[in-house]
Amino acid sequence: DQQVKQNSPSLSVQEGRISILNCDYTNSMFDYFLWYKKYPAEGPTFLISISSIKDKNEDGRFTVFLNKSAKHLSLHIVPSQPGDSAVYFCAATYRNSGNTPLVFGKGTRLSVIA
Amino acid sequence: IAGITQAPTSQILAAGRRMTLRCTQDMRHNAMYWYRQDLGLGLRLIHYSNTAGTTGKGEVPDGYSVSRANTDDFPLTLASAVPSQTSVYFCARLAGEDTQYFGPGTRLTVL
Repeated sequence: DQQVKQNSPSLSVQEGRISILNCDYTNSMFDYFLWYKKYPAEGPTFLISISSIKDKNEDGRFTVFLNKSAKHLSLHIVPSQPGDSAVYFCAATYRNSGNTPLVFGKGTRLSVIA
Repeated sequence: IAGITQAPTSQILAAGRRMTLRCTQDMRHNAMYWYRQDLGLGLRLIHYSNTAGTTGKGEVPDGYSVSRANTDDFPLTLASAVPSQTSVYFCARLAGEDTQYFGPGTRLTVL
């Protein structure tokens, strides 16, 4: 059973517009969520995270929203730029696990069109 | 920022051969991880190590082994490679409480 789901395999957005990437989770014990960006032939790069005690975290053009009741989080990129084209992975963990394993979604490929 | 290196960058391997993927960090963080990334499946945890001398199994450990003789090195060994182990392998280290930083990956093809 997939605990972290990214139901959209791909997304295309015009440059300058907002990109919204969605992620759903099933395990109510998850209390920390992360987004990673991955370019081809590179390792995933940490982008932004959010603790379950918050509902929003912002870092420049990137904002993550968390809706605990819906077990849903989203990553907003405003404005989108061609360099944002990459695969985005949502990940979740629970901090009392002892080894902090990350559970990843399958990823969403974002294409920002100039 | 990652502070983690992997070798080799890529490798083509005959089925049945033994292979060790190397991972080294320079940040002296305790926890390290091995993932594999397959198309359509995202990243899946193979093995992890919370500290030198300890290791644990992740989601897909079969066919792989790890060791953690010291803080900096965390090699992943395929004792007898099979084609289903064709994948891209990423090593990661834990920074702070919960954020993992990844190496550049090793692309492995088993024929």
